[in-house]
Amino acid sequence: EVQLVESGGGLVQPGGSLRLSCAASGFTFTKLWMSWVRQAPGKGLAWVANIKQDGSEKYYVDSVKGRFTISGDNAKNSVFLQMNSLRAEDTAVYYCTMGMEAGSFDMWGQGTMVTVSS
Amino acid sequence: YELTQPPSVSVSPGQTARITCSGDTLPKQYAFWYQQKPGQAPVLVIYKDTERPSGIPERFSGSSSGTTVTLTISGVQAEDEADYYCQSADSSGTYWAFGGGTKLSVL
Repeated sequence: EVQLVESGGGLVQPGGSLRLSCAASGFTFTKLWMSWVRQAPGKGLAWVANIKQDGSEKYYVDSVKGRFTISGDNAKNSVFLQMNSLRAEDTAVYYCTMGMEAGSFDMWGQGTMVTVSS
Repeated sequence: YELTQPPSVSVSPGQTARITCSGDTLPKQYAFWYQQKPGQAPVLVIYKDTERPSGIPERFSGSSSGTTVTLTISGVQAEDEADYYCQSADSSGTYWAFGGGTKLSVL
């Protein structure tokens, strides 16, 4: 069964850091694109970042550039999102997604909640 | 880069629901559609404007005309009540946006 499982969410103070992880199983990890998409409480979906599985291409939404870093570990079939200098507006459910192309979100994990609050 | 959807669409069971999405780059970039039910992760229902993933019912279809793409649900069922989001890329192909979402109500 194809599955994406996120972890690492939680409560953090403004200015703090969190590292989200996404473990993939049931499919070949190479030649895919992995992405993070977030959803603030009661709001719509918003693309955050994505990475080509060979690591050759990475893209970020402007609001997280310089603060968030996406990375992958093919040996562990995992993708990560290092989030630094967190702000209240980063509060959201963060979904890990997989797609055959850069802008295709074919499969989604169940999400992990990140709350930035003092 | 923005994609514009109507906030809500209402239909009766068995009718046809059409949800539109407008954006300047839609003539050149593929559109994708996602269904999200309360408390659940989104599910891809249409990719590359018109293609339907395996496991998605045939009543879901997509079309494209100029700067507007449309998700059509024929013979709507109560289980189709959900939020629907369109998604596409900007002209550079390195920035991806979602529409604001459309709440489909099945009356």
